[in-house]
Amino acid sequence: DVVLTQTPPTLSATIGQSVSISCRSSQSLLDSDGDTYLNWLLQRPGQSPQLLIYSVSNLESGVPNRFSGSGSETDFTLKISGVEAEDLGVYYCMQATHAPLTFGGGTKLELK
Amino acid sequence: EVKLLESGGGLVQPGGSMRLSCAASGFTFTDFYMNWIRQPAGKAPEWLGFIRNKANGYTTEYNPSVKGRFTISRDNTQNMLYLQMNTLRAEDAATYYCARMYTTDPYFDYWGQGVMVTVSS
Repeated sequence: DVVLTQTPPTLSATIGQSVSISCRSSQSLLDSDGDTYLNWLLQRPGQSPQLLIYSVSNLESGVPNRFSGSGSETDFTLKISGVEAEDLGVYYCMQATHAPLTFGGGTKLELK
Repeated sequence: EVKLLESGGGLVQPGGSMRLSCAASGFTFTDFYMNWIRQPAGKAPEWLGFIRNKANGYTTEYNPSVKGRFTISRDNTQNMLYLQMNTLRAEDAATYYCARMYTTDPYFDYWGQGVMVTVSS
């Protein structure tokens, strides 16, 4: 199975601060069709996960543009440009290039 | 509005069986792959498997971790998704989610609210 390693496990931020989360894959996530199926999700406390970014850098409809994704092959980054209170929760990367689909261990974003 | 609503969770004894249901509404159910994902308390989600859409013959794929014990099915006349779980173990305790997979790219664009399964004697 593809292992996704997220760092840091916990991130403390102040409102307005910009932060980044790393997701490293044990295998290249470049699919044979040329796409890279690495997605980012946010799970707020007590809620289901919700999609933020798909295929590395595509912002899901309705997601604020302070969220951005980048990367390729095995190294990916989620950036939040100016944290807001509603951004607190656990962030997961998830890959859908290789079966079985797998998730990273999560990064908890909390207020400093 | 897309809605996914799971039901059927609760307490089951080790070795027992349980069937979860997911009622879908607000979209053309047969157009979409439908997934089951679980999340033990305080841990990351784990994808369990999916059932493909009408165009792909409603075939299934499973995570090897549950293949042979769990079965995903759908009733397209009722817009229902099911997860039959057999020979349950303590480590199967989790919140179980159904999730819709977008048609052209493999990501989960809608999730249900989840249903909790507890496995204990």
